Amino acid sequence: GESVGLHLPTLSVQEGDNSIINCAYSNSASDYFIWYKQESGKGPQFIIDIRSNMDKRQGQRVTVLLNKTVKHLSLQIAATQPGDSAVYFCAEQNTGNQFYFGTGTSLTVIP
Amino acid sequence: DGGITQSPKYLFRKEGQNVTLSCEQNLNHDAMYWYRQDPGQGLRLIYYSQIVNDFQKGDIAEGYSVSREKKESFPLTVTSAQKNPTAFYLCASSEVADTQYFGPGTRLTVL
Repeated sequence: GESVGLHLPTLSVQEGDNSIINCAYSNSASDYFIWYKQESGKGPQFIIDIRSNMDKRQGQRVTVLLNKTVKHLSLQIAATQPGDSAVYFCAEQNTGNQFYFGTGTSLTVIP
Repeated sequence: DGGITQSPKYLFRKEGQNVTLSCEQNLNHDAMYWYRQDPGQGLRLIYYSQIVNDFQKGDIAEGYSVSREKKESFPLTVTSAQKNPTAFYLCASSEVADTQYFGPGTRLTVL
């Protein structure tokens, strides 16, 4: 079966610092990956995605890196703000079009 | 406004009752999904539908049922056969094999 995991369940960073959230996946055939942000009591919100033909993609203050050799995905948040405090999930999509989600990393931004 | 709506936000069920959770989208997406979220776990797929009048079981379909009579609607019924239904339920939609967008969720509690 699929396996999507996160290296750390919690992460605390100082406001203004950069945050890095990691994710490991097990299916080398997965070709599409998404990062979601989920605030308490709300639905996951799309942040950024990347396809397997890329190794880096940048958005506003966020960057996703994909290392297919070691099946590793990371989300970098620049100049982390208190509003970034949330749980962050990675998701992978395999050739069967189903998504599999990690358990999430809880990010806390310290003012 | 385009988006996905779920209702109700909170739902309470007595033992032995069936309850139906509503999910509506006006994004003109073909595919819709239902996930269950429990504390400390990743999202688990209950049912999904890639086209009207067709749906498939996900990983944890037992005790649940769905219908897809209209493109914009994908209601989920939690039946009395579901022994542990207390959870946060999330509906999502997408173009087939593309990014999934989530609704705000319904929190179901068994009394």
